Amino acid sequence: EAGVTQFPSHSVIEKGQTVTLRCDPISGHDNLYWYRRVMGKEIKFLLHFVKESKQDESGMPNNRFLAERTGGTYSTLKVQPAELEDSGVYFCASSQDRVRDEQFFGPGTRLTVL
Amino acid sequence: RKEVEQDPGPFNVPEGATVAFNCTYSNSASQSFFWYRQDCRKEPKLLMSVYSSGNEDGRFTAQLNRASQYISLLIRDSKLSDSATYLCVVNMGSGGNNRLAFGKGNQVVVIP
Repeated sequence: EAGVTQFPSHSVIEKGQTVTLRCDPISGHDNLYWYRRVMGKEIKFLLHFVKESKQDESGMPNNRFLAERTGGTYSTLKVQPAELEDSGVYFCASSQDRVRDEQFFGPGTRLTVL
Repeated sequence: RKEVEQDPGPFNVPEGATVAFNCTYSNSASQSFFWYRQDCRKEPKLLMSVYSSGNEDGRFTAQLNRASQYISLLIRDSKLSDSATYLCVVNMGSGGNNRLAFGKGNQVVVIP
């Protein structure tokens, strides 16, 4: 069974540009999460989709970040315009059920904003 | 106060030795607790869930103390392959939400 996949693995952009990250969850997993780790800090929650609906977006840092999950399958996270402090590793995770189920993480997208 | 506090280390452990570390969490209403393992530049992977009664998986033992709000992990007979960062993770969700809160991680280096 394929795991969570993320694209691209790395992205280097300049401040002010736009970047779109993609996540494909494990097939059949209704729950999809985005997390971020900035250098020197712990991994932090961004948001949670249940199918195509945003269940919790309390971790989204500001309105420069837009997440979508049209059709309830893959998800995109767009950063527009990117700022220096957006640099970090963006992880996507998926789970079948909620509270007690393991969240399976993708390999992450390493974003560098210059 | 951080949601999950961990002393990052590093913990330099001789091969074959036992190492233990713990973390504390802030939300007394949390219901689910985990240890994830993260290798360098890789994604976190679930090592084990943590239950109130304590649980063991081979050389790994996890304990939860709800009264003091801390979680521990013990690794016996350390192997070189145990070198990794161990992340203390708490599910902070309620009412259908399911977000995980992570500690900074305990970096373990097993030395031959």
